[in-house]
Amino acid sequence: GAVVSQHPSWVICKSGTSVKIECRSLDFQATTMFWYRQFPKQSLMLMATSNEGSKATYEQGVEKDKFLINHASLTLSTLTVTSAHPEDSSFYICSARIYNEQFFGPGTRLTVL
Amino acid sequence: GNSVTQMEGPVTLSEEAFLTINCTYTATGYPSLFWYVQYPGEGLQLLLKATKADDKGSNKGFEATYRKETTSFHLEKGSVQVSDSAVYFCALLLGAGNNRKLIWGLGTSLAVNP
Repeated sequence: GAVVSQHPSWVICKSGTSVKIECRSLDFQATTMFWYRQFPKQSLMLMATSNEGSKATYEQGVEKDKFLINHASLTLSTLTVTSAHPEDSSFYICSARIYNEQFFGPGTRLTVL
Repeated sequence: GNSVTQMEGPVTLSEEAFLTINCTYTATGYPSLFWYVQYPGEGLQLLLKATKADDKGSNKGFEATYRKETTSFHLEKGSVQVSDSAVYFCALLLGAGNNRKLIWGLGTSLAVNP
């Protein structure tokens, strides 16, 4: 099946710094990519949908200036958490869609100290 | 609004036991329904899906039938294995074109003991 990778798999940073997470579709081109956030024992929360070459569409309540999403190519999307704070600590998952199916990355564990 | 409700876990079973994980949904329109599985340390994987009423999705011994009358999509397996230990998510897909979105249940953790 199609493979989606994320990098890094985990990151620890200091409060106030910015962190960039990469999401790549390895063996297919994805016109649409998604970013999710998952809290412990909770469901996946869709943060934003990005289409290659256009601005991301953010879900209600998600701060655009805090969670910067760039989808520069058909195989790469990045999520930058700017000025991270401890409440941003979470598990971030990206997903890439081809045809009618979504494929998921393994996730990135972000811990902000 | 649109939502998915799954039975709470964790579910603990012995090997070869019968598994049922309940999933019900509320949705406008005619959603497609999915079960995803997340094995420890891995990303979400599609387990099975059904796109219309009375469809049965099946994979790896798991089955789920799209029941419109009860708005349910319960996951079943006749004989679980230790390797089935994972978190299972029920989801529905709504919308069209680039506006399609998956709506997720909370996930049900399954532990199968030898």
